[in-house]
Amino acid sequence: SQKIEQNSEALNIQEGKTATLTCNYTNYSPAYLQWYRQDPGRGPVFLLLIRENEKEKRKERLKVTFDTTLKQSLFHITASQPADSATYLCALDMGNGSGGYNKLIFGAGTRLAVHP
Amino acid sequence: NAGVTQTPKFQVLKTGQSMTLQCAQDMNHEYMSWYRQDPGMGLRLIHYSVGAGITDQGEVPNGYNVSRSTTEDFPLRLLSAAPSQTSVYFCASAPGGLGAKNIQYFGAGTRLSVL
Repeated sequence: SQKIEQNSEALNIQEGKTATLTCNYTNYSPAYLQWYRQDPGRGPVFLLLIRENEKEKRKERLKVTFDTTLKQSLFHITASQPADSATYLCALDMGNGSGGYNKLIFGAGTRLAVHP
Repeated sequence: NAGVTQTPKFQVLKTGQSMTLQCAQDMNHEYMSWYRQDPGMGLRLIHYSVGAGITDQGEVPNGYNVSRSTTEDFPLRLLSAAPSQTSVYFCASAPGGLGAKNIQYFGAGTRLSVL
C-alpha cells in the first residue's frame, strides 16, 4: 500500500533562511500532491497543489517541487518568519477513486520552528 | 461563510458511552469526510460521503457510524466508546472530483478522551 514519509524531527531554522521540508512516498506516483499547514489546536489549511506532470509550483514565498523519479516532493519557504512556525503536512491524491471519490493519503507532518 | 463547523470542541467519555460528533458546512460542497489524527501518524480516513444519502468506509471505520441526510451535515457516531478512540477528530469538505476540486476544507477539530 502507498506510504508517505515526512521527517518526524522538527526543523529549526533562523529567521530569513529558506526552510525545506521533504515528502517521500512509496509505490506509484499520485495524480496530485497537496501541502497543508496545521497550527496547534487547529485543522489543516490548504497551501499548494501540484500535478504529477508539473515540476514546480510557486505561491508568494512558497515553492513546491515534484519529482516522480525520486518519488519525492520538496516544500520550500523562502525568507522564513517566526509566523511560519507550524506543522506542514503533505497529502497524496491518488485519483481514480470509486464512486468519484479520490482518497487523500496524509503524511504525519513535519514541525517547523523559525527562530528570530 | 463559516466554512466547516464542528461541535463539540472537547469531549470526555467513559468506556461504553455513545455520542455524536457534529459537522456542518455552508459551502455547498459535494464531498465530506471524517478523519482522526493521532500523534506521529497522518490523518486517517474514517468515513466519507460523496453526496446526500451516500456514505462509504475509509481506512479505519470500525466503531463509527455516519449518515448524510443533507448536503450540509455529516455527523459521526461513536457507538460504544473505547480508549483506543481517544484522538482528535477532523471533519472536512471538498467540492468534489480530482485535483483542485479535492482540496479539503477542515473544521477546527474535536478533541475526544475516552477513559
